[in-house]
Amino acid sequence: EAQVTQNPRYLITVTGKKLTVTCSQNMNHEYMSWYRQDPGLGLRQIYYSMNVEVTDKGDVPEGYKVSRKEKRNFPLILESPSPNQTSLYFCASSSPTSGRGKTQYFGPGTRLLVL
Amino acid sequence: KNEVEQSPQNLTAQEGEFITINCSYSVGISALHWLQQHPGGGIVSLFMLSSGKKKHGRLIATINIQEKHSSLHITASHPRDSAVYICAANMDSNYQLIWGAGTKLIIKP
Repeated sequence: EAQVTQNPRYLITVTGKKLTVTCSQNMNHEYMSWYRQDPGLGLRQIYYSMNVEVTDKGDVPEGYKVSRKEKRNFPLILESPSPNQTSLYFCASSSPTSGRGKTQYFGPGTRLLVL
Repeated sequence: KNEVEQSPQNLTAQEGEFITINCSYSVGISALHWLQQHPGGGIVSLFMLSSGKKKHGRLIATINIQEKHSSLHITASHPRDSAVYICAANMDSNYQLIWGAGTKLIIKP
């Protein structure tokens, strides 16, 4: 089954404790992206990657890092989480050759609470 | 001003009603997406449009490129249609999406 998976789905942590949220897709998509969703602000892009070893900042990259060492994986790293990073995070992937243009496929979301 | 505007922000209707959600954009786009987010949080892509009209079951999406406007219609609405509906625009030749703020739809039995 074609899917985007994220782990963990729920996470409570404390300020300053490094964490990684993993994202993996099995559709051989070139493009992957991380979003955060906050009440009243909608979805905002954090980072995106056009292909392996190619990453770029989105609209709200501060406090986050990403890497794209393999095509299928695009982890989101919070080196020193702060309470303002409490949010719902979505990973998405897309490919122009998917047959549906640039439709993005979303992971199930990760709810993060930083105390 | 956001480049993608949705209306209404909230919509409550009775089961069976015909629902319309609107999306206007101010930039040149290659495609317009409609997505659905259920109360559990998951996001599902419903349609991707570059012209005309698409239909899937009780859902219909239309786009008017000249007027920079798209609509999502739900016929014979049902409580299970209750969700947040989001439109997002692909800028020309670009993977990046510009997101609308979403429309929260509640269908009462």
